Amino acid sequence: AQKVTQAQTEISVVEKEDVTLDCVYETRDTTYYLFWYKQPPSGELVFLIRRNSFDEQNEISGRYSWNFQKSTSSFNFTITASQVVDSAVYFCALSEAGDDKIIFGKGTRLHILP
Amino acid sequence: DGGITQSPKYLFRKEGQNVTLSCEQNLNHDAMYWYRQDPGQGLRLIYYSQIVNDFQKGDIAEGYSVSREKKESFPLTVTSAQKNPTAFYLCASSIIGTGRLAADNEQFFGPGTRLTVL
Repeated sequence: AQKVTQAQTEISVVEKEDVTLDCVYETRDTTYYLFWYKQPPSGELVFLIRRNSFDEQNEISGRYSWNFQKSTSSFNFTITASQVVDSAVYFCALSEAGDDKIIFGKGTRLHILP
Repeated sequence: DGGITQSPKYLFRKEGQNVTLSCEQNLNHDAMYWYRQDPGQGLRLIYYSQIVNDFQKGDIAEGYSVSREKKESFPLTVTSAQKNPTAFYLCASSIIGTGRLAADNEQFFGPGTRLTVL
């Protein structure tokens, strides 16, 4: 069965620090997709990244980077030089090929302190 | 601007009443979804639809109903049978590529409706 675990319920860091949000997933499929979403205080989820199971290359987008490791079933998200605007709830999600649903983790609430 | 609209943003209902939450998208997406979000629970899927006039139950469909008469619209009715309806409700949509399922693609979310039962 699919499962996404975000063990960090809440994290607080001071602005400009780097922070990593952990995501561990479970699936029996060899083909699957992983996602990260950001939910700012306004409530609307914003898509950040999608990665398929055959692409283990790490990705960097500005201050954001993602580390996908199939060996540990992890898809961690790092924010470099954090800013107050990064404060939000971040969700990791998983879908299996052949399925038509996405399973979300419970989210990590990130506080960036000025 | 293309996007997903949900109305109203805040909704209050008396216990025992049915209420319908609106979700409209102009992204020409095939698939639409309804999620419920409770504090510390993440997002749980209520219903989803991949094509007009067809929809499937998600993980927590009991006490809810939907319709998909138009591609752009996917209203959710919270019925009096839903035991704990107070929550934040999010609507989402996604494209379906040729030979692929909707869940392969990223979902675009509306701003949500916060329902409170008094």
